[in-house]
Amino acid sequence: GAGVSQSPSNKVTEKGKDVELRCDPISGHTALYWYRQSLGQGLEFLIYFQGNSAPDKSGLPSDRFSAERTGGSVSTLTIQRTQQEDSAVYLCASSLTGRTAKNIQYFGAGTRLSVL
Amino acid sequence: GENVEQHPSTLSVQEGDSAVIKCTYSDSASNYFPWYKQELGKRPQLIIDIRSNVGEKKDQRIAVTLNKTAKHFSLHITETQPEDSAVYFCAARGMDTGRRALTFGSGTRLQVQP
Repeated sequence: GAGVSQSPSNKVTEKGKDVELRCDPISGHTALYWYRQSLGQGLEFLIYFQGNSAPDKSGLPSDRFSAERTGGSVSTLTIQRTQQEDSAVYLCASSLTGRTAKNIQYFGAGTRLSVL
Repeated sequence: GENVEQHPSTLSVQEGDSAVIKCTYSDSASNYFPWYKQELGKRPQLIIDIRSNVGEKKDQRIAVTLNKTAKHFSLHITETQPEDSAVYFCAARGMDTGRRALTFGSGTRLQVQP
């Protein structure tokens, strides 16, 4: 089936504007993760959703960042009042489940966000 | 929380040589260690993983070793080819309550010279 789909692939915005990034996980995957990858850096965990459980928001860098997952499928990451340091590639991943000791995470192609 | 360190940050080898990338982790409860390969402009893709009840795992030219006592694990690529050129990330995952995401190393840029 289709892999993890993210949109838009590129987003250019002005400082202070709000942006929404979308992730469509692999069908049937109950776990969904958002990561941020700054230029030349590793992947930084942002937020994790598992089924209907309360999300793990421990990686969100500030209260300008929020995410929701509707109907246990599509997720939207929202960044309010964007700052230049928010510029990065935002990657979404999904896995069959988050509750077993091993879960393979499949990544989307990411959204490259540029804040001018 | 978990902290993963990865070395080297860049690695250049001649085609046919071996490449080794090393990672250390801090959380002794971590029990799952995947390696991802990310080619330029593409998504990270899992290439091999290992669980803590195994010391070594091989898949063709790729192998991963794990030393739980020392809390380090390594990726070994033998007979490197130009198409192995990419950024490689190690990661670790623990079992602490609520934290199911992976903690990634900072990445190693591998360049295989033809």
